Amino acid sequence: AQKVTQAQTEISVVEKEDVTLDCVYETRDTTYYLFWYKQPPSGELVFLIRRNSFDEQNEISGRYSWNFQKSTSSFNFTITASQVVDSAVYFCALSENSGGYQKVTFGTGTKLQVIP
Amino acid sequence: SQTIHQWPATLVQPVGSPLSLECTVEGTSNPNLYWYRQAAGRGLQLLFYSVGIGQISSEVPQNLSASRPQDRQFILSSKKLLLSDSGFYLCAWSEGSLRNEQYFGPGTRLTVT
Repeated sequence: AQKVTQAQTEISVVEKEDVTLDCVYETRDTTYYLFWYKQPPSGELVFLIRRNSFDEQNEISGRYSWNFQKSTSSFNFTITASQVVDSAVYFCALSENSGGYQKVTFGTGTKLQVIP
Repeated sequence: SQTIHQWPATLVQPVGSPLSLECTVEGTSNPNLYWYRQAAGRGLQLLFYSVGIGQISSEVPQNLSASRPQDRQFILSSKKLLLSDSGFYLCAWSEGSLRNEQYFGPGTRLTVT
């Protein structure tokens, strides 16, 4: 069965510090998809990135970067020079084929607080 | 561009009362639609998903039901609410299957009293 673990429940950093949010997943499939979503205090989840299991290239988007390592089943998310607007709950998610249809599992989320 | 709407934004209902939450998507055709519940402001639980009109799959047994009367309309219902139904309900859509990213609505905060 698929599983997503975000071991960090809450993280607090001071503005301008770098912070890494960890995501470890379990799956028996060779083809799967990984996602990160941001949930600001307003509540609406915002899609950040999608990765498929065949693409291990790391990605950078502005202050955000993602490190996908199949060898350790991890898909970590780093925010460089954090800002107060980065304060939110961040979810990692895994999608794989299960019984003939795609099934998605979300982690329990990591609450990030950036202190000014 | 695509947009997703949910209403109402907040709702306070007594135990035993019925429920109807509505979600509509604009700017896309034949989307996959999903209902999630988020209890205590944290983890997301997939409740229902739909790949087409009248096609609903339930992920967990519960006091809720879902319907998709039109291509871009998804409704979450209950005949009699329980205290445990309180939570934050999110509707989402994706193009095609769950291998694609989902786009979420603003959510409905339901309090059952």
